[in-house]
Amino acid sequence: EAGVTQSPTHLIKTRGQQATLRCSPISGHTSVYWYQQALGLGLQFLLWYDEGEERNRGNFPPRFSGRQFPNYSSELNVNALELEDSALYLCASSFLGKNTEAFFGQGTRLTVV
Amino acid sequence: LAKTTQPISMDSYEGQEVNITCSHNNIATNDYITWYQQFPSQGPRFIIQGYKTKVTNEVASLFIPADRKSSTLSLPRVSLSDTAVYYCLVGDYYTNAGKSTFGDGTTLTVKP
Repeated sequence: EAGVTQSPTHLIKTRGQQATLRCSPISGHTSVYWYQQALGLGLQFLLWYDEGEERNRGNFPPRFSGRQFPNYSSELNVNALELEDSALYLCASSFLGKNTEAFFGQGTRLTVV
Repeated sequence: LAKTTQPISMDSYEGQEVNITCSHNNIATNDYITWYQQFPSQGPRFIIQGYKTKVTNEVASLFIPADRKSSTLSLPRVSLSDTAVYYCLVGDYYTNAGKSTFGDGTTLTVKP
């Protein structure tokens, strides 16, 4: 069974541009979570989607946004890119519910130059 | 929100048992304790989860005292491949659904 897949693996953008990152959850999982991990730091929660709805949002500016599609895949959009947005962006998926195991993808390495 | 505190780093040698302790003084009644392992440039991987007492699986054990204000991840007979960052997470969802961050984790370095 395929795990959580993210694309692209690497992305290089110029400051001020927009970046779109994609995530395909494990089949049957309805919840998708997005995290930002700057180099050498822990994971910072960005967004949580379930059944197409945004369930929770981390402490990030509005230029970080996303959506979840009917097939439960998800997009993370980052507008007006800043140098500080350079990081590994991780997506995880799970069944909805407490204490259901979450599985992470390999991440998208975004570099803003 | 349950805040967790872990040592920043630990060193060990191959074949030793490693114990990593996490403090979570304000853990809530419904909160579970989950540990993840992360290798460089990869997503975290679930290791083990528990609520109280002791939990054991094929890769680790988790010890939780009665007051649940701390927990200890025990890795038996570590190898070089266990070198990674280990995160302790407290909440009522495996990912905590954003209710708290993963924190900085504990960087475990296993030496030959």
